[in-house]
Amino acid sequence: EDQVTQSPEALRLQEGESSSLNCSYTVSGLRGLFWYRQDPGKGPEFLFTLYSAGEEKEKERLKATLTKKESFLHITAPKPEDSATYLCAVQAAGNTDKLIFGTGTRLQVFP
Amino acid sequence: NAGVTQTPKFRVLKTGQSMTLLCAQDMNHEYMYWYRQDPGMGLRLIHYSVGEGTTAKGEVPDGYNVSRLKKQNFLLGLESAAPSQTSVYFCASSRDRVGSYEQYFGPGTRLTVT
Repeated sequence: EDQVTQSPEALRLQEGESSSLNCSYTVSGLRGLFWYRQDPGKGPEFLFTLYSAGEEKEKERLKATLTKKESFLHITAPKPEDSATYLCAVQAAGNTDKLIFGTGTRLQVFP
Repeated sequence: NAGVTQTPKFRVLKTGQSMTLLCAQDMNHEYMYWYRQDPGMGLRLIHYSVGEGTTAKGEVPDGYNVSRLKKQNFLLGLESAAPSQTSVYFCASSRDRVGSYEQYFGPGTRLTVT
């Protein structure tokens, strides 16, 4: 069964304290892995798509990486405005019309 | 350009009542989706549509029906609401099959069934 697991469930960081969020997946043929940001009371907002092991993408203080079993979202020198829930999702090669989402990591960055 | 909008934002229903959630997008997207989000669970796909006049079942379709009579609108119906359908519902759209193009999400509808 295709599955996505995110860890940790919650993460508290001091402003400027870099860290990483993990997304491990089990899927029958990975077509793509997606990262979203979700602010309280809002819908998810797309961040990155990764397609193959070794691929990396960056946006401001965020960098996403992908291996054959997991993806990491690295946050460098975070600011309070980076506080949000970060969602990971995968698209399986055998079912390309939909995504399978993890439960998310709730990140809080304190000044 | 409003993106994806959802109506209503909040709703409280009694068990057995019916309602329709409306999703509208102004990006001329082909694909539209309905998800539900519950605490401790990832977003789960209810139904989706690959174009006007089409619908398909997702992961958790029981108790819901959908219609896509116009390309820009995707309706989610609850014929007889149950407390288990208390959730936050998100609509999303994409230009084409997800993976090739990103999904854009609406702001959500918070539904409580008592």
